[in-house]
Amino acid sequence: AQKITQTQPGMFVQEKEAVTLDCTYDTSDPSYGLFWYKQPSSGEMIFLIYQGSYDQQNATEGRYSLNFQKARKSANLVISASQLGDSAMYFCAMRASAILTGGGNKLTFGTGTQLKVEL
Amino acid sequence: EAQVTQNPRYLITVTGKKLTVTCSQNMNHEYMSWYRQDPGLGLRQIYYSMNVEVTDKGDVPEGYKVSRKEKRNFPLILESPSPNQTSLYFCASSLSSGGTGELFFGEGSRLTVL
Repeated sequence: AQKITQTQPGMFVQEKEAVTLDCTYDTSDPSYGLFWYKQPSSGEMIFLIYQGSYDQQNATEGRYSLNFQKARKSANLVISASQLGDSAMYFCAMRASAILTGGGNKLTFGTGTQLKVEL
Repeated sequence: EAQVTQNPRYLITVTGKKLTVTCSQNMNHEYMSWYRQDPGLGLRQIYYSMNVEVTDKGDVPEGYKVSRKEKRNFPLILESPSPNQTSLYFCASSLSSGGTGELFFGEGSRLTVL
């Protein structure tokens, strides 16, 4: 079974500082993908970044980077130069290969981390 | 504009009154799915569909039905809603059932069952 663990229910960071949101995962599938989504107070789910299990380099998208440590089964999100607009709930999610899960493109989500950016 | 559209966005109903939450995508995606979001539990999959006329249960299917008669539409049906189905519901779609493609989410439908 797949599992995503986010151990930080809430975090605070000062504007312009970097912040790391933790995510650990568990799966027996050799092929999987890791995603981060942002959910602002308005409720929509915004895709941020993706990392494949066979990708050699850590994924980056603008101010977002994913610190992927396969041996430790961690996929932490790093947000550089935090902005007030980064205040939101952040979800880590994992999709294992469709062949083994039979669930197609099912994403298994963590419980989320509420990030608050302060002046 | 590529999007997943859900309706209604907000709904308050009473126990036992059948309701349908519609979901439509304009990206010609094969894969569609429904999730519910509850505080402290993240998002949990209710049902998914790999293609037209192909649907299957997710992790929390009890009390829900779905259908996929057309590629673009994937309605969620609550035949006899109960208060424990009060939740925020998301429809999502993807080009295929595998690969590295992200799931595109609708804006969410907040349902309250009294």
